[in-house]
Amino acid sequence: NAGVTQTPKFRVLKTGQSMTLLCAQDMNHEYMYWYRQDPGMGLRLIHYSVGEGTTAKGEVPDGYNVSRLKKQNFLLGLESAAPSQTSVYFCASTEGGTLAKNIQYFGAGTRLSVL
Amino acid sequence: GEDVEQSLFLSVREGDSSVINCTYTDSSSTYLYWYKQEPGAGLQLLTYIFSNMDMKQDQRLTVLLNKKDKHLSLRIADTQTGDSAIYFCAESDSNDYKLSFGAGTTVTVRA
Repeated sequence: NAGVTQTPKFRVLKTGQSMTLLCAQDMNHEYMYWYRQDPGMGLRLIHYSVGEGTTAKGEVPDGYNVSRLKKQNFLLGLESAAPSQTSVYFCASTEGGTLAKNIQYFGAGTRLSVL
Repeated sequence: GEDVEQSLFLSVREGDSSVINCTYTDSSSTYLYWYKQEPGAGLQLLTYIFSNMDMKQDQRLTVLLNKKDKHLSLRIADTQTGDSAIYFCAESDSNDYKLSFGAGTTVTVRA
């Protein structure tokens, strides 16, 4: 049972390069999320999706785009990477159905450095 | 998002109890969560508590909720070296699909 899988695990980019982070979940979850984790700041929500074909902005969406073409996949894109986007990125998913009990399952993270 | 605050560091001796504290501001919080992050890994749910409860116990873990003061704590009894990790407090309410996380408390267990 894989749960939430993120690829790649590590990446180094030069400023201005683009890349896509892939998140895949095999739990048939409705909701998926992208977070970034920076020291002393906890997790900040970038974008999220409440179902296939839907996306919404989170707390820190600038410089990122997302797509949810298939229910099991949630892609995070950086069109023109900046050093401020150096971070650890986490994907999470949750079953949905009830708004209140929002137990999220996390991937292992992608460590991104932008030089 | 709503504010969730935690102290950043806690050092505890092996075998002692650890207490991690969290405060939140959203009075409509319905569930509160504790997640654990081990080095180089993602977050794993440790436990959660519904807002109409004031205590929940699960083996070595005890969660206390003071809804009036908006204060949540996690007590780990008989702390072991494997408990060294970052612990995140989080809250959700019934109005949206998002969690609000605290900054995380780094717990270091010393021999």
